[in-house]
Amino acid sequence: QSVLTQPPSVSGAPGQRVTISCTGSSSNIGARFDVHWYRQLPGIAPKLLIYGNNNRPSGVPDRFSGSRSGTSASLAITGLQAEDEADYYCQSYDSSLTAWVFGGGTKLTVL
Amino acid sequence: QVQLQQSGPGLVKPSQTLSLTCAISGDSVSRNSAAWNWIRQSPSRGLEWLGRTEYRSKWSNDYAVSVKSRITINRDTSKNQFSLQLNSVTPEDTAVYYCVRGLYSSSYYYFDYWGQGTPVTVSS
Repeated sequence: QSVLTQPPSVSGAPGQRVTISCTGSSSNIGARFDVHWYRQLPGIAPKLLIYGNNNRPSGVPDRFSGSRSGTSASLAITGLQAEDEADYYCQSYDSSLTAWVFGGGTKLTVL
Repeated sequence: QVQLQQSGPGLVKPSQTLSLTCAISGDSVSRNSAAWNWIRQSPSRGLEWLGRTEYRSKWSNDYAVSVKSRITINRDTSKNQFSLQLNSVTPEDTAVYYCVRGLYSSSYYYFDYWGQGTPVTVSS
């Protein structure tokens, strides 16, 4: 059971917009700890996608954006492309656990 | 370009010690704006942060409560690498283990470079 809760799967057609939610609690996202997002392809290490809630590292297209509100965060992907198929993970810090924590991951399928 | 190269056995017997090493290129284990982490991933536990070592005027380590009694993270500045030791392993410790750089940038701290991952199976 992950500390941060994500939907197991989301899907969308090419060109559409999808969002992936990440729900936490008062000891992590609700305590205003930053949320970061990672993307993972099968058999490969996760890769940083969004840092500091809504910042993109160099090379990440602006089709990807993040937001945070209350005890939740979201990743939005616009203009879906086939290569966006991957697993997506949110991550934050939990003050009760004194640990960096992850969501359980969301598998994005492009129909 | 930062690269993290992991090494270590992929099979460990129950009750023994899991040992992995992460060699750093393109950065320094002694850099004071980064921390060096171990994170594992398994189907049952997902992504799980295990611990880190960092140098910020002095060396310090932080460990996850779940493994605190069994884990040691060391660094070797002469070889620019850091290592993980996890004692008294059980099949529950079977996972892919990653070494990861945690970067302090502006007011943020996030995991920006990951090693290639080492699948470790605990089995007799």
